[in-house]
Order: sequence, then C-alpha cells, then structure tokens
Amino acid sequence: KQEVTQIPAALSVPEGENLVLNCSFTDSAIYNLQWFRQDPGKGLTSLLLIQSSQREQTSGRLNASLDKSSGRSTLYIAASQPGDSATYLCAVRGAGNNRKLIWGLGTSLAVNP
Amino acid sequence: DAGITQSPRHKVTETGTPVTLRCHQTENHRYMYWYRQDPGHGLRLIHYSYGVKDTDKGEVSDGYSVSRSKTEDFLLTLESATSSQTSVYFCATSQGAYEQYFGPGTRLTVT
Repeated sequence: KQEVTQIPAALSVPEGENLVLNCSFTDSAIYNLQWFRQDPGKGLTSLLLIQSSQREQTSGRLNASLDKSSGRSTLYIAASQPGDSATYLCAVRGAGNNRKLIWGLGTSLAVNP
Repeated sequence: DAGITQSPRHKVTETGTPVTLRCHQTENHRYMYWYRQDPGHGLRLIHYSYGVKDTDKGEVSDGYSVSRSKTEDFLLTLESATSSQTSVYFCATSQGAYEQYFGPGTRLTVT
C-alpha cells in the first residue's frame, strides 16, 4: 500500500532563504507526482506535476525533482518571500488504471519578514 | 483556476439530517472527486466519478452517496449526518490522470 510522508511537518525561515521541502513514498511504481499549495481556509492550488519519466519541473522560483528509485521528491523554493507562507502538499498517483491520489499530510511553511 | 465552484461554502446542520453538497465545473473535465480534509488525516477520497452516471467509492465512502447526471455537476449527499462527518469537503476535477484542480471547499459542521 502506497504511503506518502512529508518532512518536516512545519518549517519557519527568514525571508530570502532558499529552502527544500521533502516528500517520500513507499512504492516506486508511480504514474506522476503533484505538488500543491494550500492557504489557510482555502482550496488547493496545483504548483507542479512531474510525470514518472521526468526528473524535474520548474515554475518561476519553484523547482520540483523526482527520484523514483529512492521514492523521493523535493520542492525547492528559491529566495523565499512572506507570500510563500502556506501548507505544501504532495500527492502521488499510482501506475496503471488507478486514478486515485495518495496524499502526504503537508509541510506548513512560515516565511518571516 | 479550473472554474470549480462549491455550494454551500459553509453549512451547519443537525445530526440525522440529510445534507447535499454541490460541485459545479466549467472545464468539461471527465473526472470529478470528492475529498474530506481533517487534521491529522490529510485529504481522503470519498467518491469519484469517471463520467456521467459513472461513479466509484473512495477510501471513506461509508455514509456518503454521490450522483452525476451532467458532466458539470457532481453532488455529494450525507444520507444522515453524524458528528464524525464534520469536516471540510473539497471537490476536484481532472482530465484523465493529469493535474487535479480543486474547488474552494465547503466547511460542514454537524451538531
């Protein structure tokens, strides 16, 4: 059974710092992995999606990498800003016909001015 | 945004009453999902739909039913609400096994 873990559960950094959020999964047979952002009391916003054949995806100051063999993905945020404060969630979709996502519990990020 | 709306956004109801939550999308996405989000549990899939009138159970489907009579609408019904169903409910859509897009959520309180 696929399990997704995100470490750390919470992170507080000063503005301007580069940071890395981690996501690990137990079954390497995945179709894709998606990173989301959730602001307090709001829905989820898709940030990046990495297909199983890809190693990384970039969008602006965000870079997500995927290492299927080790069951890990990282989300790198460059030059963090207070507006980046949110909870970041990763979700893994299994290979085959299973269209369900398996979710981590998220990392709550606070970027302090 | 994928043009997903949820109604109502907030609801308080009493134990034992039926409740229906509505999800409406304008993107013509084939797949629609209902999740609940609770502290310590993360997001859990309740039911999903892979087409009009085609639905299937997720991991926490007991006490919930769904219907999809049109591509754009996916309804979630709590047949007899219980306090354990107090949660935030999210609807999501996708076109195949690609990105999922989420609605703003419905906060449901069962007293």
